[in-house]
Amino acid sequence: NAGVMQNPRHLVRRRGQEARLRCSPMKGHSHVYWYRQLPEEGLKFMVYLQKENIIDESGMPKERFSAEFPKEGPSILRIQQVVRGDSAAYFCASRQTDNRVGEAFFGQGTRLTVV
Amino acid sequence: DAKTTQPPSMDCAEGRAANLPCNHSTISGNEYVYWYRQIHSQGPQYIIHGLKNNETNEMASLIITEDRKSSTLILPHATLRDTAVYYCIAIGNNAGNMLTFGGGTRLMVKP
Repeated sequence: NAGVMQNPRHLVRRRGQEARLRCSPMKGHSHVYWYRQLPEEGLKFMVYLQKENIIDESGMPKERFSAEFPKEGPSILRIQQVVRGDSAAYFCASRQTDNRVGEAFFGQGTRLTVV
Repeated sequence: DAKTTQPPSMDCAEGRAANLPCNHSTISGNEYVYWYRQIHSQGPQYIIHGLKNNETNEMASLIITEDRKSSTLILPHATLRDTAVYYCIAIGNNAGNMLTFGGGTRLMVKP
């Protein structure tokens, strides 16, 4: 059973471009969480999704950021018109419905660099 | 979810036990205590969790005080690979909750 897979591992974008980050949860996991970690800072919650639904997006910036978790395929975190301040590590976590809320499995992250 | 307080950093000698404390004085009865760690540049890794009783697994032991206001994560024989930031999180099992990471404790295991 493969773990949570994130790709790409490293992504370089120029200011104003779009960044698409992908997260394939573990098999059977229907809950996905996205977190952002700025350099030398802690992990900040961004958004919580279940299949085809956004459950909580209270940590998402209001503009330029969006997330989806379609019925088929990976969860996508999309950042439009990237700026230098978006440079960070973005982590995805997943869990099964039957698991306790605190038992989540994290991917290795995507490191976004905006130049 | 209850706020947790951890020392920002600790050192431990290789081969010795590392005891990482966590205060969660406002924890409610249905909130579990979870420990995660993040080794440099990697994704957080689940270590252990507990509600009232002490717990042990292949990675660590978790000691929760009787009043549940604090807990200690014990790595019995720390190795250099245990150098990481350790996070203590109190979270209820309610749908819609998610893990919230504070500053954690940066554990440095030294040879």
